[in-house]
Amino acid sequence: ETGVTQTPRHLVMGMTNKKSLKCEQHLGHNAMYWYKQSAKKPLELMFVYSLEERVENNSVPSRFSPECPNSSHLFLHLHTLQPEDSALYLCASSQEGGGSYNEQFFGPGTRLTVL
Amino acid sequence: GQNIDQPTEMTATEGAIVQINCTYQTSGFNGLFWYQQHAGEAPTFLSYNVLDGLEEKGRFSSFLSRSKGYSYLLLKELQMKDSASYLCAVMDSNYQLIWGAGTKLIIKP
Repeated sequence: ETGVTQTPRHLVMGMTNKKSLKCEQHLGHNAMYWYKQSAKKPLELMFVYSLEERVENNSVPSRFSPECPNSSHLFLHLHTLQPEDSALYLCASSQEGGGSYNEQFFGPGTRLTVL
Repeated sequence: GQNIDQPTEMTATEGAIVQINCTYQTSGFNGLFWYQQHAGEAPTFLSYNVLDGLEEKGRFSSFLSRSKGYSYLLLKELQMKDSASYLCAVMDSNYQLIWGAGTKLIIKP
């Protein structure tokens, strides 16, 4: 596997379900991100982990719960979601520091539909 | 507040040139990025500008004017595979990326 992978690619869930999205990066990066992408809207940053510590929350509802067990893996736990949470959820990683411009590498996303 | 503006949709002809504009108002500036996103796929990095001027990379070029809060992405010799959304993003003073809503580019034969 190379780059950033995400599973599942598609997910349909009811409002009472609990599910988790998984992201894995194979680039040796030290920062990982969760974004929400809705049609015709800017990417919304949800969570940032740098060196496995959460550094940004951006007032995301508590029904979204991130987990970063190590620098290569990132999870987004979902529970009691609303239909308006239906969107493409993108994971990204970057190498922070070292004088670079911190280009972010994205996974293919999970297309989430909440019924 | 912070804001990135770019056109919602543009149409161009195969073989032609198209310029996609991006204007921004952000708290500080640490560079501007352009990403390409094909439908149903991940955004992929195209270019980064932090100094004024033009950066050329093959058929794609990106221009930045920090004093005007303005950038453009120039695509030459358009190909059908260039049909995609093009996302403009600015890194603010906190090194956080502020994203535009993207420009959907439609290429016609």
